[in-house]
Formats: sequence, structure tokens, C-alpha cells
Amino acid sequence: GAGVSQSPSNKVTEKGKDVELRCDPISGHTALYWYRQRLGQGLEFLIYFQGNSAPDKSGLPSDRFSAERTGESVSTLTIQRTQQEDSAVYLCASSLTSASSYEQYFGPGTRLTVT
Amino acid sequence: AQTVTQSQPEMSVQEAETVTLSCTYDTSESDYYLFWYKQPPSRQMILVIRQEAYKQQNATENRFSVNFQKAAKSFSLKISDSQLGDAAMYFCAYRSIGGTSYGKLTFGQGTILTVHP
Repeated sequence: GAGVSQSPSNKVTEKGKDVELRCDPISGHTALYWYRQRLGQGLEFLIYFQGNSAPDKSGLPSDRFSAERTGESVSTLTIQRTQQEDSAVYLCASSLTSASSYEQYFGPGTRLTVT
Repeated sequence: AQTVTQSQPEMSVQEAETVTLSCTYDTSESDYYLFWYKQPPSRQMILVIRQEAYKQQNATENRFSVNFQKAAKSFSLKISDSQLGDAAMYFCAYRSIGGTSYGKLTFGQGTILTVHP
């Protein structure tokens, strides 16, 4: 079946512009996660959604970052007034639920470059 | 907060040989999950193996096995009979079972594995 998809694959933007990154989870997966991976580094948790519960936003680095998810479908990560330090690969994952026993399946990521 | 440390930025191995990647972690929790993920140049994260902390038996998946030392908070990955396709970045990760942020994975910095023919 189809895996997690993300778009765009690559995005180049100018400093100060807003960007939107999209994630399509696996159908039927109620939990969705966003991570950031800086060059040569491990993944940093940003936010996760579980069904209709309030999202866990504890990893968002600043108020320039926000994310939305409608029901159990697509999620959008928005970065406002982008800065050069926002350059990274943004990875999305989904799982059947957020219970720890369920595997998180990752998408291929969006590489964001801020010039 | 939990932390995960991978002290080997790079490792290399000859094809068909065995290599061990190291990982240590810090937590005050008694029950949790530990994972090894593989990330090839395609960026796709692939789950290699996972270990539940309450299980004393080390997990094994074909050529991949772990050495889980709970008291020492150590979780190493052994790859036997290394293949060219094993070349990738490997990440160790931690996940809580309970608490307020049980959904997220906490990752180490990664180890780049090179396999020589």
C-alpha cells in the first residue's frame, strides 16, 4: 500500500518568506508526527497529532512554527518569516495510533533551503 | 528529559564482516522502547530493530541483533555478514511508554556506516 508522502521534495526560499510543507499519512493512521533533521544531525521532534486530541507542540522551536491537521488526513507544517537556521530536512511520520507499541512510518522528507 | 548519545560519528566494515554500533541513553523511566533506524541517502527512515526495556532477551532480526544492557543504559547494534546495502546512517532512538510525551522519538546524532567491498 501507499506509504507516507511529503511535498514538495525540495524547497528553496528566501529569508523572511513563509513556507508550507505537506504530509499525507498512511490511510487509517490516527497519529502523525513532524521531525526536523539538520545537516548531519539526528532527528528533533517538533509536534504530533493523535486523532482529535490537542496536539503535543512541545518540540516547536519558536512561534514562527505551526502545524495543522484536519481529522486524520493531511497535515501542513508552516514556517513563517523563515531564517537561515530553518534550513533542514523536515520529516513526517504516521502510525496507527500514538501508543508506543505501534511503529512510526516515515516519509521521504522535504529538504528546505533558506537563502 | 531523555537523551540518546551515539559516540561514533563514522564506522566502516568490510563486506561479510561484523560491525557493532554503540548507543547510550539517559532516562529515569523504568519501561520504554529502544530502536535502531537506518537512513540511506534516499532519506527514508527504515526501522531495523526494536527492544522493549522490560524484556531481558536481546532482540534479533536476521543479521541484526542488539546488546541491551539496561543497568548500563547501553544499546548497541551488531550487524553480521555486512552487505553493501547496509551502508547508511544509523540512528538509535528512545521512546517513552507513558507520561506526557510518549508519542515522540528521541534520536541520537547518528553513525555513518561505510561498507567496503
